[in-house]
Amino acid sequence: AQSVSQHNHHVILSEAASLELGCNYSYGGTVNLFWYVQYPGQHLQLLLKYFSGDPLVKGIKGFEAEFIKSKFSFNLRKPSVQWSDTAEYFCAVNVKDTGRRALTFGSGTRLQVQP
Amino acid sequence: NAGVTQTPKFQVLKTGQSMTLQCAQDMNHNSMYWYRQDPGMGLRLIYYSASEGTTDKGEVPNGYNVSRLNKREFSLRLESAAPSQTSVYFCASNLAGGTFFGQGTRLTVV
Repeated sequence: AQSVSQHNHHVILSEAASLELGCNYSYGGTVNLFWYVQYPGQHLQLLLKYFSGDPLVKGIKGFEAEFIKSKFSFNLRKPSVQWSDTAEYFCAVNVKDTGRRALTFGSGTRLQVQP
Repeated sequence: NAGVTQTPKFQVLKTGQSMTLQCAQDMNHNSMYWYRQDPGMGLRLIYYSASEGTTDKGEVPNGYNVSRLNKREFSLRLESAAPSQTSVYFCASNLAGGTFFGQGTRLTVV
């Protein structure tokens, strides 16, 4: 079974600082990769996804992620964070080419951006 | 187009009570899921349904049952609620390209 690790549990940044959140997965086969964001009191929203092709993926709100297959990593980045980026961020994977598309989530990273 | 709709949004149960969480999607998706979210643990899959008429256990199915009533609806039932089932429950549906989540149900079992 696949698993997902997010090593940063709580990150505190000042506005305009750069952000990088780590995500590593363990699975020997081919996976689809996702980052979701959950604003306080809200449901999960898709930030970006990687299925194939260019390993550098751009998402909404200026976020991007890079898939490094050799490192089993899919780190999330943003050059300059805003106070409105305060939220919890979840990395997730599912296994490609199976009938089961259920996502396996990491434990999440709480990002706090201070004005 | 409402997406994924869950009811209720909040619920308090006493230990031993039963209840059903309702979920409906209007996107004509085949796959539907129930997850629970607990602090520091991310979302964990309870049950899923790959298509109408089929259901399968996920990572944490104990204490739950599900029904895929039709293509639109996928309900989660707690037969005898326990304090360990205090959590936020999310229903989701999937089409190739992405998984879409409902607003969640915050359940407290006292």
